[in-house]
Amino acid sequence: GQNIDQPTEMTATEGAIVQINCTYQTSGFNGLFWYQQHAGEAPTFLSYNVLDGLEEKGRFSSFLSRSKGYSYLLLKELQMKDSASYLCAVRVVTTDSWGKLQFGAGTQVVVTP
Amino acid sequence: KAGVTQTPRYLIKTRGQQVTLSCSPISGHRSVSWYQQTPGQGLQFLFEYFSETQRNKGNFPGRFSGRQFSNSRSEMNVSTLELGDSALYLCASSLDGDSGQPQHFGDGTRLSIL
Repeated sequence: GQNIDQPTEMTATEGAIVQINCTYQTSGFNGLFWYQQHAGEAPTFLSYNVLDGLEEKGRFSSFLSRSKGYSYLLLKELQMKDSASYLCAVRVVTTDSWGKLQFGAGTQVVVTP
Repeated sequence: KAGVTQTPRYLIKTRGQQVTLSCSPISGHRSVSWYQQTPGQGLQFLFEYFSETQRNKGNFPGRFSGRQFSNSRSEMNVSTLELGDSALYLCASSLDGDSGQPQHFGDGTRLSIL
């Protein structure tokens, strides 16, 4: 089966850095996505990792270690608008599953002034 | 370019009824996935359609079904509704569901069962 774990909630101050960890135990791993979801809105794509290492996109960076089943999303220079839920999603490819996404429960990030 | 469009946005039904939700993907996208989102369970995968064929299926009962049309639009049907089916139903599209192509989500249909 699939198991994706991420913290339930994190609080940080405006301008600070927050790191959201995601650990997964899954067969057929074929990439990891991070999504942002504001309350009452649709999830929006942030980043994708399939090889080990760091992917940087402006204030957001995502890291993957396939051997450790671990990823993190790093949010720098936090802004109030970054208050949202951050979803880790693993893409799985097996003999009976072509590329479906399994989502973690999400990490609610609260940015305070 | 228009995003993923889901209709209706809100729906209220009673137990035992059935419901059909609609999803129009981004133009050119051929893969459509459906998810159920609830506060307790998070985002749960329902199924994925590609070229009018169900390619992936989650662990939901047979009351949940879907289909995809030749223009890639998709519908999801839930029969014999139960209270526990109250949720936000999200549709997401991607070019062909391959590798690193991100899925783009619609705003969802919020279904309430009375």
